[in-house]
Amino acid sequence: DVKVTQSSRYLVKRTGEKVFLECVQDMDHENMFWYRQDPGLGLRLIYFSYDVKMKEKGDIPEGYSVSREKKERFSLILESASTNQTSMYLCASSFGGDRSEAFFGQGTRLTVV
Amino acid sequence: SQELEQSPQSLIVQEGKNLTINCTSSKTLYGLYWYKQKYGEGLIFLMMLQKGGEEKSHEKITAKLDEKKQQSSLHITASQPSHAGIYLCGADFSSQGAQKLVFGQGTRLTINP
Repeated sequence: DVKVTQSSRYLVKRTGEKVFLECVQDMDHENMFWYRQDPGLGLRLIYFSYDVKMKEKGDIPEGYSVSREKKERFSLILESASTNQTSMYLCASSFGGDRSEAFFGQGTRLTVV
Repeated sequence: SQELEQSPQSLIVQEGKNLTINCTSSKTLYGLYWYKQKYGEGLIFLMMLQKGGEEKSHEKITAKLDEKKQQSSLHITASQPSHAGIYLCGADFSSQGAQKLVFGQGTRLTINP
């Protein structure tokens, strides 16, 4: 079974802190994605990566950065956490090339106080 | 995303009844993905549709993509409590298979015993 593992299920951080959300997949997928999910807004793409050290901005990249040093790991970084970044964060991965489904992690619920 | 509209936003049905969820786009869908989410958890892949007129079934769930590839429906027959959750459609608008998915806002399904 494909596994996409996010490092934390729940996280509470203070305003201004630098926050790292980690995601690891074990199926040698080329593509990896970070989404955030908010009530009434659905899932919105923050960043995605098609290959190691490659990244592209999604729809809402402001206040975030990403790192993909190894194929299996995709990190989302909140440079200076703010309360409006309180959300559910979901990581996903998929094969490149022909269309295939994206597999999602279990999500990280981040609260910034 | 406004590119993808789901209806209804919420649905309450009696156990054993049939139901349909719709997903509509103003642009051509090159890949349409249906996911289910239990509250507070990650997304579970259900089905992927690519060709106009395509229909797929898994157990009591059937998904269809219309001929114009701008609308999809998810139909559940003889609903059960295990069907409860949030159903999301995700669309790939790229003809090149970028697999960067845009999601609808989701449909919250409640099954009453």
